[in-house]
Amino acid sequence: DIQMTQSPSSLSASVGDRVTITCRASQNINNYLNWYQQKPGKAPKLLISAASTLQSGVPSRFSGSGSGTDFTLSINSLQPEDFATYHCQQSFASPYTFGQGTDLGIK
Amino acid sequence: QVQLQESGPGLVEPSETLSLTCTVSGGSLRSYYWSWFRQSPGKGLEWIGQIFYSGGPRYTPALMSRVSISVDTSRNQFSLKLNSVIAADTAVYYCARGPLTVAGFFDSWGQGAMVTVSS
Repeated sequence: DIQMTQSPSSLSASVGDRVTITCRASQNINNYLNWYQQKPGKAPKLLISAASTLQSGVPSRFSGSGSGTDFTLSINSLQPEDFATYHCQQSFASPYTFGQGTDLGIK
Repeated sequence: QVQLQESGPGLVEPSETLSLTCTVSGGSLRSYYWSWFRQSPGKGLEWIGQIFYSGGPRYTPALMSRVSISVDTSRNQFSLKLNSVIAADTAVYYCARGPLTVAGFFDSWGQGAMVTVSS
């Protein structure tokens, strides 16, 4: 299985900050990397597909980049509704695997 | 906008079979893959398996010996069965549409069903 490692596992930030979350794959996955946001008690919500394609309705302060083994999710000018857990997911090969999640909390 | 809803028992005894159904509304099962996931308390998401609307399930190797996924297009539902459950199978189980396109993402999810394995 392809292992996905996110860092940091948690971070604290303030409204208006810019944050970056990193996801590393255990092998080359080209750009087969998707990002999800999950709030407590809710299902994951797709934010970005294919490493950098923003989904319809997702604010432009979210962006994704990377290819190969290293990927980043960036959020510019954090808003109160952005405090959540973020997951990366590889779709290069089955079984599809996720990172352990990054908890983004309010400082 | 397609909507998914999981249903099934919230409590299953050890060694028994966990059974969940996902009902899809606002759209058809046709032409899509459909998947099951789970998330144990405080842990990451785990993909369990997928099925195409016409069949042909695929499972994660870690659960392959105990899991089956089936589809009922007449009812717009797909189902999960996990045999011989243990405490470690306690989790929130989600159904979702996908993987979609070449990018392999999952774009619509159910709200999740908490299943506890306990006697």
